[in-house]
Amino acid sequence: KNQVEQSPQSLIILEGKNCTLQCNYTVSPFSNLRWYKQDTGRGPVSLTIMTFSENTKSNGRYTATLDADTKQSSLHITASQLSDSASYICVVSDRGSTLGRLYFGRGTQLTVWP
Amino acid sequence: EADIYQTPRYLVIGTGKKITLECSQTMGHDKMYWYQQDPGMELHLIHYSYGVNSTEKGDLSSESTVSRIRTEHFPLTLESARPSHTSQYLCASSAPERATGAFFGQGTRLTVV
Repeated sequence: KNQVEQSPQSLIILEGKNCTLQCNYTVSPFSNLRWYKQDTGRGPVSLTIMTFSENTKSNGRYTATLDADTKQSSLHITASQLSDSASYICVVSDRGSTLGRLYFGRGTQLTVWP
Repeated sequence: EADIYQTPRYLVIGTGKKITLECSQTMGHDKMYWYQQDPGMELHLIHYSYGVNSTEKGDLSSESTVSRIRTEHFPLTLESARPSHTSQYLCASSAPERATGAFFGQGTRLTVV
């Protein structure tokens, strides 16, 4: 069964600290993996996207890694800011089939305290 | 980044009314999706389409219906709204074969009173 599991479920850190969010998936065949940031009441906004051959991708203070062999991804946030408080969702796309689907993790709720 | 639009952004309606939530994308994506999300909870797939005239029900049972007459348009309709339909509805589109992942609309926050 295709699944996406994220950890931790929630995380509280102090402003300026770094943190790492985890995503494990069993989706196959794999197409790509995206990390999204979702502010309360808003639609998810893409942070990074990685395909099978990519190991790391950065977007400002956000760095995502992908290990396609172990089917694991991480999102590292550097020097956190109050505006980073949001839900971070890992989404995996499968490849090729007519019924190609997106598979969502439940998200990690990040709270940054001053 | 995204060229996918949802209207309205917020909607408050009375029980029993018929409503249609609009979703349009200008990226030429074949696959489109509707998700339902309660506050602080995960997204649940309620409908998806992999092309014109092709729609499927998702993982979460829903009393809504969808249509896909044009590639760029994927409206969701509730024939008779109930308070249990109060939620946020998110539309997304994707073209997995292009390895670009999915793009989301801003969502429609629906309240049925």
